[in-house]
Amino acid sequence: AQSVTQPDIHITVSEGASLELRCNYSYGATPYLFWYVQSPGQGLQLLLKYFSGDTLVQGIKGFEAEFKRSQSSFNLRKPSVHWSDAAEYFCAVALTSGTYKYIFGTGTRLKVLA
Amino acid sequence: DGGITQSPKYLFRKEGQNVTLSCEQNLNHDAMYWYRQDPGQGLRLIYYSQIVNDFQKGDIAEGYSVSREKKESFPLTVTSAQKNPTAFYLCASSTGTIVQETQYFGPGTRLLVL
Repeated sequence: AQSVTQPDIHITVSEGASLELRCNYSYGATPYLFWYVQSPGQGLQLLLKYFSGDTLVQGIKGFEAEFKRSQSSFNLRKPSVHWSDAAEYFCAVALTSGTYKYIFGTGTRLKVLA
Repeated sequence: DGGITQSPKYLFRKEGQNVTLSCEQNLNHDAMYWYRQDPGQGLRLIYYSQIVNDFQKGDIAEGYSVSREKKESFPLTVTSAQKNPTAFYLCASSTGTIVQETQYFGPGTRLLVL
């Protein structure tokens, strides 16, 4: 069965430190992969997406993610975290066959220390 | 400004009562979606609509109903058959329903049971 795993429920980093949020997926075909961010009590905003081509994708707010097929991973990174990055981050995979279908991970909540 | 609005921000339901959550978009998008978000879980699809007067069940449609009489509106009714309705409900829209389309999310409605 298709699934998305975000193994870290909470992550705390200091402002200015680097960040990596992990995402692993299980899907037999080539996946379409997404990272979304959600501020408290708000909707989701797309950070970046991967469909094909260069496995390192750049997104908004200085985020990037790398698709590694051999590890079934799509980890999100940022070289220097800002206090405003504190939010919840969701990884999602879209199934590429049949009708519309997204599978979301359970999210990683990021706390940033001043 | 184009976007998605959801109302109300908070909604209280009594036992046995049906309640309706509003979702309006002025992005001229054909596709609209309803998701349910519970703490520690990813988003789960309730219903989606690809075009006016058409909608499809998602993964957790039981106890919910929708209508799509206008392109810009996709209201969700939580019926008394939904025994555990307390959750955060997110509406989204996209130009179409192929997986490459970016979804734009509204700010959400939090439903609480009295």
